[in-house]
Amino acid sequence: EAQVTQNPRYLITVTGKKLTVTCSQNMNHEYMSWYRQDPGLGLRQIYYSMNVEVTDKGDVPEGYKVSRKEKRNFPLILESPSPNQTSLYFCASSSATTGNYGYTFGSGTRLTVV
Amino acid sequence: GQNIDQPTEMTATEGAIVQINCTYQTSGFNGLFWYQQHAGEAPTFLSYNVLDGLEEKGRFSSFLSRSKGYSYLLLKELQMKDSASYLCAVRPRGFQKLVFGTGTRLLVSP
Repeated sequence: EAQVTQNPRYLITVTGKKLTVTCSQNMNHEYMSWYRQDPGLGLRQIYYSMNVEVTDKGDVPEGYKVSRKEKRNFPLILESPSPNQTSLYFCASSSATTGNYGYTFGSGTRLTVV
Repeated sequence: GQNIDQPTEMTATEGAIVQINCTYQTSGFNGLFWYQQHAGEAPTFLSYNVLDGLEEKGRFSSFLSRSKGYSYLLLKELQMKDSASYLCAVRPRGFQKLVFGTGTRLLVSP
């Protein structure tokens, strides 16, 4: 089944403790992206990647890192999480060959930083 | 800059028709998408418009006017399961990136 897999689904952590949210897609998509979703603010892009080893900042990149060492994986790293990073996070992927369908989204990761 | 506006919330009755509007101002245009999102779940694709006009897909239709920077999603024969948020998103020219509006929460009542 074609899908984007995120882990974990839920995570509660403490301020300053490094964490990684994994994202993997099995559709051979070139483009991958991370979004956060907050009430009243909608989906905002954190980072994106056009292909392996090509990443760039989105609209709200502060406090986050990403890497794209393999085409299928695009982990999101929070080196020192803070409470304002409490949010619902989505990974998404797409391809130029399926552009008319926009993104395929992962199931989301609800992160709470206390 | 990018700006996408849609109403925050709408209510409608089961069996009725509802129209959700979206206006946008973006630096370039390469398509407009509508997604449905149930609370706490991932957005799922509903429709895509890149040319002016109406695209119909079952109970859902989407309209685009590029000259007016305007789109709407039309939902017919509303069902309780249509209670969800509806996200309008624009893809600026030359990018895979989607810019999302804040979404319209639709509540369908019996």
